[in-house]
Amino acid sequence: GAVVSQHPSRVICKSGTSVKIECRSLDFQATTMFWYRQFPKQSLMLMATSNEGSKATYEQGVEKDKFLINHASLTLSTLTVTSAHPEDSSFYICSARSGSSLAKNIQYFGAGTRLSVL
Amino acid sequence: QKEVEQDPGPLSVPEGAIVSLNCTYSNSAFQYFMWYRQYSRKGPELLMYTYSSGNKEDGRFTAQVDKSSKYISLFIRDSQPSDSATYLCAMTGANNLFFGTGTRLTVIP
Repeated sequence: GAVVSQHPSRVICKSGTSVKIECRSLDFQATTMFWYRQFPKQSLMLMATSNEGSKATYEQGVEKDKFLINHASLTLSTLTVTSAHPEDSSFYICSARSGSSLAKNIQYFGAGTRLSVL
Repeated sequence: QKEVEQDPGPLSVPEGAIVSLNCTYSNSAFQYFMWYRQYSRKGPELLMYTYSSGNKEDGRFTAQVDKSSKYISLFIRDSQPSDSATYLCAMTGANNLFFGTGTRLTVIP
C-alpha cells in the first residue's frame, strides 16, 4: 500500500520560534499533498492544498504567512509554522494523493505531528 | 447542512459483536467513498474505498454505498479489542475530501 512518512512525530518549542514539518510519499509520486489540523475529539480540518511546483492553496481563515507550505518535489512537502504561539499547538497531519488514474482520488495520510508551543 | 453527517458515538460493543457504522451525505456529485481508521494520536489509516454504489468486502470489513439514499456503511464482523479506534468516513467528487466527524468505537474484551 501507499506509505506517507511524516516527521517529526512530536515537537515542543518555545513561543516565537519556527517549526518545520516534513511529509514524504515513500513509494509513489504525489502530485498533490494536503495539510490538515486536528483538534482533540474533532475531525480533520483542511488547511491547504499543494501541487508540486505550484503555490499552495489555503482554506479560508488559514494565514498563509503563518503556515508556509513548500512542495518542491513529487515526494516531499513541508509545512513551516512561523513564529509559533501557544494557540498553534495542535495535531498536524499531511496526506498525499497519487497522480495515477486508478487511485487519483484516494488520500493517504502521514502519522501526524503533535506540536506543543510553550 | 453539513456535507457529511456521522454519528460521533461513542459506541461500545462486546468482543465478537457485529459493528455497523454509518454516514449520510448531501452532495450527489460524490463518487468515491472511503473509510479511515484513526488510533489515538495517529494519522488516519485507509481501510477501504469504494467507487459509486455497491458493496466491497475485505476480511472482516464490508463497505456499502447506496447512492440513491446518500448513505454509506461500514460493517465489522467478529469485532476485536484492536478495532477500538475512531472511524472516519470520507468522500469526494474530484478534489477535496469531505470527512464525517468520526465515530469512536470501543470493543470490550
